[in-house]
Amino acid sequence: EADIYQTPRYLVIGTGKKITLECSQTMGHDKMYWYQQDPGMELHLIHYSYGVNSTEKGDLSSESTVSRIRTEHFPLTLESARPSHTSQYLCASSPRGVTNEKLFFGSGTQLSVL
Amino acid sequence: KNQVEQSPQSLIILEGKNCTLQCNYTVSPFSNLRWYKQDTGRGPVSLTIMTFSENTKSNGRYTATLDADTKQSSLHITASQLSDSASYICVVSDRGSTLGRLYFGRGTQLTVWP
Repeated sequence: EADIYQTPRYLVIGTGKKITLECSQTMGHDKMYWYQQDPGMELHLIHYSYGVNSTEKGDLSSESTVSRIRTEHFPLTLESARPSHTSQYLCASSPRGVTNEKLFFGSGTQLSVL
Repeated sequence: KNQVEQSPQSLIILEGKNCTLQCNYTVSPFSNLRWYKQDTGRGPVSLTIMTFSENTKSNGRYTATLDADTKQSSLHITASQLSDSASYICVVSDRGSTLGRLYFGRGTQLTVWP
């Protein structure tokens, strides 16, 4: 069982609202990721971090931003939510320096923007 | 273009029956291939990893195969159980190191009926 937690599990908000999706892990992993997943589609990497104060954009363009002030915490923020942001957001982590790395995923946040 | 294709898209089987899920990839270079299981409303969990030199690997009722020459992998589930109902995702890495990139398939949605 992975020790990586996402809150909230479900979020329904109106257009224009600012939201923050929380992700925390207690495994001491250096690397953390945010993926976006739509039904029947592959996971798309939107942000990643290799350690404190390190953040990079992923393959899929996203209007969200992330921060990594502490190793265990990797929140994702949308300044102004739109219906096109409706999706499932999955946070993941993995240890640094390990070949054939395995991702540990949280349970996800299902975001619906009305 | 590096891609990962999974088939079938969805599958329904009766409890106790066997099934085989397919994954074809064009990712190059190739480092490893992982099969993840994603239960509804949860994040993916790693089932097994196949590296270049491995042909077959078992994890309980799950058996994965890899043919690196034809760039194909399969996941065979024996004596299916209701709890096997999930999406099974094939993920290919082009390098095993920190610089590696992951390529995700869209998954096969397996439903096991009693």
